[in-house]
Amino acid sequence: GAVVSQHPSRVICKSGTSVKIECRSLDFQATTMFWYRQFPKQSLMLMATSNEGSKATYEQGVEKDKFLINHASLTLSTLTVTSAHPEDSSFYICSAFGGTEAFFGQGTRLTVV
Amino acid sequence: QKEVEQDPGPLSVPEGAIVSLNCTYSNSAFQYFMWYRQYSRKGPELLMYTYSSGNKEDGRFTAQVDKSSKYISLFIRDSQPSDSATYLCAMSPNQAGTALIFGKGTTLSVSS
Repeated sequence: GAVVSQHPSRVICKSGTSVKIECRSLDFQATTMFWYRQFPKQSLMLMATSNEGSKATYEQGVEKDKFLINHASLTLSTLTVTSAHPEDSSFYICSAFGGTEAFFGQGTRLTVV
Repeated sequence: QKEVEQDPGPLSVPEGAIVSLNCTYSNSAFQYFMWYRQYSRKGPELLMYTYSSGNKEDGRFTAQVDKSSKYISLFIRDSQPSDSATYLCAMSPNQAGTALIFGKGTTLSVSS
């Protein structure tokens, strides 16, 4: 089946630094990818919709200047958490549609210290 | 009222039990309903996918959708310890290309 690869799976960074998370569709092209955030014991909350070749669409309350999304090709979308703070610590997951099914990456556990 | 409501549990059952997981929703535009399984610190993986109302069976798993009641269920028969995970319901008004709306997830523990 289709595979979405997300990297890194875990990252620890210092407060004030930036972190880039990559999401790749390995065997299909994805014109649209989604970025979710998940807090412990909480649901996946949509952060933004990433569109290849155009600007991302952010959900209400998500700071676009803090969470930079780039969808440079049909197989790669990146999420950069800029000037990270401890409250940005969370589990970030990307998703892409391959055919009729949404495939999810393995997730990235971000810890900001 | 949230769009999708799901009891977070936790739910603990002995091996071999029948498990019933449920979600309710408020948006009548939802047409596609999914159940995902998520192991700790991993991304969700699709278990069942259903369009509109009705039942769908796949091995030990059965998904039911009742659009009139805005209620969906996932049944797991002969539950196994390997079924221990968090189960998330998700739904969408469109088949593809639309972000999914998730429930909070129900944490299931199956003891041997």
